[in-house]
Amino acid sequence: EIVLTQSPATLSLSPGERATLSCGASQSVSSSYLAWYQQKPGLAPRLLIYDASSRATGIPDRFSGSGSGTDFTLTISRLEPEDFAVYYCQQYGSSPYTFGQGTKLEIK
Amino acid sequence: EVQLVESGGGLVQPGGSLRLSCAASGFTFSSYAMSWVRQAPGKGLEWVSAISGSGGSTYYADSVKGRFTISRDNSKNTLYLQMNSLRAEDTAVYYCAKNQARGYDSSGYPRYYFDYWGQGTLVTVSS
Repeated sequence: EIVLTQSPATLSLSPGERATLSCGASQSVSSSYLAWYQQKPGLAPRLLIYDASSRATGIPDRFSGSGSGTDFTLTISRLEPEDFAVYYCQQYGSSPYTFGQGTKLEIK
Repeated sequence: EVQLVESGGGLVQPGGSLRLSCAASGFTFSSYAMSWVRQAPGKGLEWVSAISGSGGSTYYADSVKGRFTISRDNSKNTLYLQMNSLRAEDTAVYYCAKNQARGYDSSGYPRYYFDYWGQGTLVTVSS
């Protein structure tokens, strides 16, 4: 099973700043089969990025994904108030599908 | 608009059973694999089970294998999760999710990520 480790656990930033969230895998993720989700309190997760760098439908272009192998990054270029949430990465390159433990992006 | 609406959650005693349902609309249900993903209170996400569009193939996390059964009724656009022998550690919000596929891995296991999610239904296992 591939273990995903997200860092930092909590990231404190201000609106307008740039956010960089990391997801490290215990083994190489095949063909960059990695997704990112956003979850706000009391709501379901929302798909942001799939295949490591492709934005999902309706996702603003301030969200971008990059990486390959064992190191992946979600970047939010300029934080909006609605971006403060918990972010999860998920690998689907090999069974079983696994998620990282999450990064909480909070307002500084 | 894709909509997924879960139901069937509640309080159940350890060792008991519960069946969750997920009503789908806004897409051709039979064309897509579906999954259940759960989230224990204050914790992260855990994939539980998946089923192919036809219902002919099913997949389970080791933590629920032999206790949970996923199924679907394509005539009713509904996904199910039958949960037996429930344990305290099964307490969670259960989400149904529409899958997108990226082929198969070397063991023949499908590669799924989740593009739409329902609002979730809470299952509490406690005496």
